[in-house]
Amino acid sequence: AQSVSQHNHHVILSEAASLELGCNYSYGGTVNLFWYVQYPGQHLQLLLKYFSGDPLVKGIKGFEAEFIKSKFSFNLRKPSVQWSDTAEYFCAVNALKGYSTLTFGKGTMLLVSP
Amino acid sequence: DVKVTQSSRYLVKRTGEKVFLECVQDMDHENMFWYRQDPGLGLRLIYFSYDVKMKEKGDIPEGYSVSREKKERFSLILESASTNQTSMYLCASSLSEATNEKLFFGSGTQLSVL
Repeated sequence: AQSVSQHNHHVILSEAASLELGCNYSYGGTVNLFWYVQYPGQHLQLLLKYFSGDPLVKGIKGFEAEFIKSKFSFNLRKPSVQWSDTAEYFCAVNALKGYSTLTFGKGTMLLVSP
Repeated sequence: DVKVTQSSRYLVKRTGEKVFLECVQDMDHENMFWYRQDPGLGLRLIYFSYDVKMKEKGDIPEGYSVSREKKERFSLILESASTNQTSMYLCASSLSEATNEKLFFGSGTQLSVL
């Protein structure tokens, strides 16, 4: 079965700092990878996804993530965070084996101070 | 835009009560899911359904059941609520049959079992 590990439970940054949130998954086969975000008081929404092709994917609001197959990683990055990026971020993996489902990490709470 | 509507934002129930959580989606999606979200544990899949009258157990189905009589509606049932079922419950839907390309989430139901 697949699993997802997010490296940090809480991250605190100042505005304009660079962000990298770690995500590793365990599954030996082909996967789809996702980052979801939950802003305070809002529902979960898709930030970006990787299915195939260029391992560097760009999402909304200036976020990007890089799939490194050899490291089973899909880290989320943003060069300069804003106060409005304060949210909880979830990495998720879907193993491509018939009817499979998304497995989520435990989430990383990002707090950006103005 | 896809809308996933959960009938209640907050619910308070007593131990032993039978609880129904309702979810409706308006985009003719095939797939529907129930997750629970707990601090520090992320999202965990309870049940999912790929078609009307079809249901599959997720990672933590114990104490829950589901019903999907119509394509747009997916109900989560707590047969006899217990305090350890106090949680945020999230419903989601997706279009794709096998790859769960993108999940659309509802706003969640915060259930408190006293």
